[in-house]
Amino acid sequence: GENVEQHPSTLSVQEGDSAVIKCTYSDSASNYFPWYKQELGKGPQLIIDIRSNVGEKKDQRIAVTLNKTAKHFSLHITETQPEDSAVYFCAATPIQGAQKLVFGQGTRLTINP
Amino acid sequence: EPEVTQTPSHQVTQMGQEVILRCVPISNHLYFYWYRQILGQKVEFLVSFYNNEISEKSEIFDDQFSVERPDGSNFTLKIRSTKLEDSAMYFCASRVRGGRGEQFFGPGTRLTVL
Repeated sequence: GENVEQHPSTLSVQEGDSAVIKCTYSDSASNYFPWYKQELGKGPQLIIDIRSNVGEKKDQRIAVTLNKTAKHFSLHITETQPEDSAVYFCAATPIQGAQKLVFGQGTRLTINP
Repeated sequence: EPEVTQTPSHQVTQMGQEVILRCVPISNHLYFYWYRQILGQKVEFLVSFYNNEISEKSEIFDDQFSVERPDGSNFTLKIRSTKLEDSAMYFCASRVRGGRGEQFFGPGTRLTVL
């Protein structure tokens, strides 16, 4: 089955700097890759996603890149703000079927003012 | 904006007791999921449900677990005889049929088994 690895487990950046979180996946059948943000005591919130027919997607300060050949995808946050502090999870799933999400281990991002 | 809701937010139970966790998915969604997250660990898939039947389940989802959609709005997860290791956050999620495939998560129920 699918296995998703996520790095780093913790990341601390200065406010205004960029943050990059990387994930690799194992199953070439996976073709949908969402990123979730989880704040303390809350459920995961979808922040951006990408399908395998696209190499990059951007939404304001957040972007995701996908390299299908290497089976890795990354989340990029630019001009970080204190409210970006949270745990971020990547996930992978095939579009067909039940579409269960297989999550990475999570990255605790801390933005230092 | 429609959202997934879950009740209760926190459930404390004794080992061996039955618990039922409740979810109200987004109204036009057709696929429903339960995931769990043990403290400090990744979110893990438990089960998916579509068209009033289980479409996929993980090895975690053994005979002690069951799911049900008793009416047009609720989606429940029952744990028949809880174990200490069932202590976790349980998240319900739902999605539309087709679309990009995005799943929307509820706020979770924290289950503590003593």
